[in-house]
Amino acid sequence: KQEVTQIPAALSVPEGENLVLNCSFTDSAIYNLQWFRQDPGKGLTSLLLIQSSQREQTSGRLNASLDKSSGRSTLYIAASQPGDSATYLCASTGGGNKLTFGTGTQLKVEL
Amino acid sequence: KAGVTQTPRYLIKTRGQQVTLSCSPISGHRSVSWYQQTPGQGLQFLFEYFSETQRNKGNFPGRFSGRQFSNSRSEMNVSTLELGDSALYLCASSGTVSNTGELFFGEGSRLTVL
Repeated sequence: KQEVTQIPAALSVPEGENLVLNCSFTDSAIYNLQWFRQDPGKGLTSLLLIQSSQREQTSGRLNASLDKSSGRSTLYIAASQPGDSATYLCASTGGGNKLTFGTGTQLKVEL
Repeated sequence: KAGVTQTPRYLIKTRGQQVTLSCSPISGHRSVSWYQQTPGQGLQFLFEYFSETQRNKGNFPGRFSGRQFSNSRSEMNVSTLELGDSALYLCASSGTVSNTGELFFGEGSRLTVL
C-alpha cells in the first residue's frame, strides 16, 4: 500500500525567501506525481505534474523534481510571496486515476 | 473553458439521511474521480468512473456509491449518514484514459452531518 509523507507539516517564512517542500513515497512504482495547492475552504489547484519518466518540471517560480529510486519529490518555490500562503499537497498516481495524497505542508509567507 | 463544477457547495443533513452530490467534469473529460477530505484522515480516494463504468474503488463502506452518466457527469450518494461522514467531498476530472494524465479538481461539496 502506497504511503505518502510530507515534511514539514507547517512552515513559516519571510517574503522573498526561497523554500523547498518535501514529499516521500514508499512504493516507487508510480505513474506520475502531482503537486497541488489548496486555499482554506477551497478545492485543489494543480501546480505541476511530473511523469515517471521525467526528472523535473518547471512553471514560473515553481520547480518540482522527482527521484523514483529514492521515493522522493521536492517542490521548490523561488522568491516566495504572501499569495503563496496555502497548503501544498503532493500525490502519486497508481492504477487508474487514483491519487494517494500526502499529509500536506501548510505554508505561511509573512510580509 | 469551464472547470470542474460541483453542486451543491454546502449542505447540512442529519444522521440517517442520505445525500447526493453532483459533479460536472471539464468538457471532453471522460474520467471522474471522487475524494473525501477530513481533518483526521486527509484526502482519501472514493472511486473513479470512466465511460460510465467504475474503474477503481477505495476502501469505503457500501453506503458510498456513485455513477456516471453518458455525458460524463457524475453523482455520488451516501446513504444512512453518520457523523463521521462530515467532510469536504472533492471531484476531479481527467482527459486521459491512462494513468499519466493531470487531474483537475472542483471546489468541493462541504457536507455537515448533525
